[in-house]
Amino acid sequence: GEDVEQSLFLSVREGDSSVINCTYTDSSSTYLYWYKQEPGAGLQLLTYIFSNMDMKQDQRLTVLLNKKDKHLSLRIADTQTGDSAIYFCAERKAAGNKLTFGGGTRVLVKP
Amino acid sequence: DSGVTQTPKHLITATGQRVTLRCSPRSGDLSVYWYQQSLDQGLQFLIQYYNGEERAKGNILERFSAQQFPDLHSELNLSSLELGDSALYFCASSAPGTGINEQFFGPGTRLTVL
Repeated sequence: GEDVEQSLFLSVREGDSSVINCTYTDSSSTYLYWYKQEPGAGLQLLTYIFSNMDMKQDQRLTVLLNKKDKHLSLRIADTQTGDSAIYFCAERKAAGNKLTFGGGTRVLVKP
Repeated sequence: DSGVTQTPKHLITATGQRVTLRCSPRSGDLSVYWYQQSLDQGLQFLIQYYNGEERAKGNILERFSAQQFPDLHSELNLSSLELGDSALYFCASSAPGTGINEQFFGPGTRLTVL
């Protein structure tokens, strides 16, 4: 989506941390989401953050939100080969439930 | 398994034809969303239905239409198909009244137009 941008590709070694970045343009976004898509499968919600939060941690996942810069990131600690997938960030605007997705970041975890 | 089912899994057809994609939402979910995922356009929101009524419209072509039936399953109709309509079509559903509006995605229907 043109309103949400992500880098295309990230390569990381197993056991290292991965950081996936996302920028969005709509300051009225209420929720921001990270979805994971494994090969041949649909999208699965990994985590989300409400727009009035700066950080959310959920086990190996840490979401950081910089609302001033409209920047969202997802950090995956101790990245495993099973984390290899495409990661999408998405924003939900104030009105309605429509999600606008970024283009996805393909993460490749090397052993 | 998200609980959202989509049929068929794969569809191969010719230009100019018409196809129907079907989606059954999770039990209890009233909203159904349709998305198109293609290499050049990424993941695009097409349309949302809530309890049988159209709720939001995205980048859906006039050749495409959808509906949600009383049993809450939904169908996406694509007509006068063009090569560029080849894509993965996802359906998602969400429960009523949830603040985060978690959308549960089906496995998708891969459409190939030859």
